[in-house]
Amino acid sequence: GAVVSQHPSRVICKSGTSVKIECRSLDFQATTMFWYRQFPKQSLMLMATSNEGSKATYEQGVEKDKFLINHASLTLSTLTVTSAHPEDSSFYICSAREGVAVGYTFGSGTRLTVV
Amino acid sequence: GQQVMQIPQYQHVQEGEDFTTYCNSSTTLSNIQWYKQRPGGHPVFLIQLVKSGEVKKQKRLTFQFGEAKKNSSLHITATQTTDVGTYFCAQSSNDYKLSFGAGTTVTVRA
Repeated sequence: GAVVSQHPSRVICKSGTSVKIECRSLDFQATTMFWYRQFPKQSLMLMATSNEGSKATYEQGVEKDKFLINHASLTLSTLTVTSAHPEDSSFYICSAREGVAVGYTFGSGTRLTVV
Repeated sequence: GQQVMQIPQYQHVQEGEDFTTYCNSSTTLSNIQWYKQRPGGHPVFLIQLVKSGEVKKQKRLTFQFGEAKKNSSLHITATQTTDVGTYFCAQSSNDYKLSFGAGTTVTVRA
């Protein structure tokens, strides 16, 4: 089945620094990928839709200048959390859908801790 | 996206017992998907329902879509420790975005 690889799985960074998270579709091409954020014991909240070759579209309330998304190829989307603060600490997950598949495949997630 | 409400938030189940989690919407849903997220893991797609009144089974899991397409349920029989996790319902919109319910976190007492 479809596989989405996400790296890193865990990252600890200092306040004010930036962190890049990669999401790759390993065996299929994904013109669209989705980025979610999940706080402890909460549901997944869609942050943005990553579109290959064009600008990402962000959900209401998500700062596009803080969460930079780049979808430079059909198999890779990156999310960069810029000038990270402790309140950005969360579980970030990407997803994509293979071709005509019904369900979405999720990456294994990145647990970000900002100290 | 459309709001899907999910209850209960937590379900503590004795091993071997059955339980049900419910997903409700105030508007008609075009489809409903179900995902399972194990503790510390990521969501894994279980199933999609599209037709009014549709019922699908996966071993001990039974998924149902309401006649009015405003609600859905997941029923698990003879709960096992492997059923531990959070079960989410989600609705896929025309622009392929998923809107997740709050999830039902299941714990099992052996």
